[in-house]
Amino acid sequence: DQQVKQNSPSLSVQEGRISILNCDYTNSMFDYFLWYKKYPAEGPTFLISISSIKDKNEDGRFTVFLNKSAKHLSLHIVPSQPGDSAVYFCAAKAGAGNTGKLIFGQGTTLQVKP
Amino acid sequence: EAGVAQSPRYKIIEKRQSVAFWCNPISGHATLYWYQQILGQGPKLLIQFQNNGVVDDSQLPKDRFSAERLKGVDSTLKIQPAKLEDSAVYLCASSYGLPTEAFFGQGTRLTVV
Repeated sequence: DQQVKQNSPSLSVQEGRISILNCDYTNSMFDYFLWYKKYPAEGPTFLISISSIKDKNEDGRFTVFLNKSAKHLSLHIVPSQPGDSAVYFCAAKAGAGNTGKLIFGQGTTLQVKP
Repeated sequence: EAGVAQSPRYKIIEKRQSVAFWCNPISGHATLYWYQQILGQGPKLLIQFQNNGVVDDSQLPKDRFSAERLKGVDSTLKIQPAKLEDSAVYLCASSYGLPTEAFFGQGTRLTVV
């Protein structure tokens, strides 16, 4: 069963516009959510996160929104830049403390066109 | 600060052969994770170590996969015998403790033919 889903395999936007990446989850016990960015031939790198007690977290051009009632989170990138072209994974933490683990979505490939 | 080191970067083997991957975590990181990322999917946790003890190996196919972390530092992941469906990128990550603070290595791309 896919507990974390990214239903859009790919997204293409124009440079300077907003990119919106979406993620849905099924387990209401998840208490922390993260977004990772992955370039080809590299490992995922942490981008931004949000606790389940919040509904928004912002870091520069990146903002993550969490809608707990809908079990939905989204990542907004404004303005989008060609260097943002990568695969984006959302992940949710299950379990407490050091024994918790991350469950990843399938990823969305973002292409930002100059 | 040096990152998580993995080797080899790429490996091609025939089915039924064995293969081993190596991971050197960030210095001081007690927790080490091995993930499997199949093309088109997100990383899936195979095994998690806390120092040299196993915390979670619930998704490790134990009939063919094994992992160890001797002395609580480096780790090896082995597959024997390999199947075609084992073709994937194997990612190692480490953290001081929390999975939300983990850093990932570049991964080993395994192709089983």
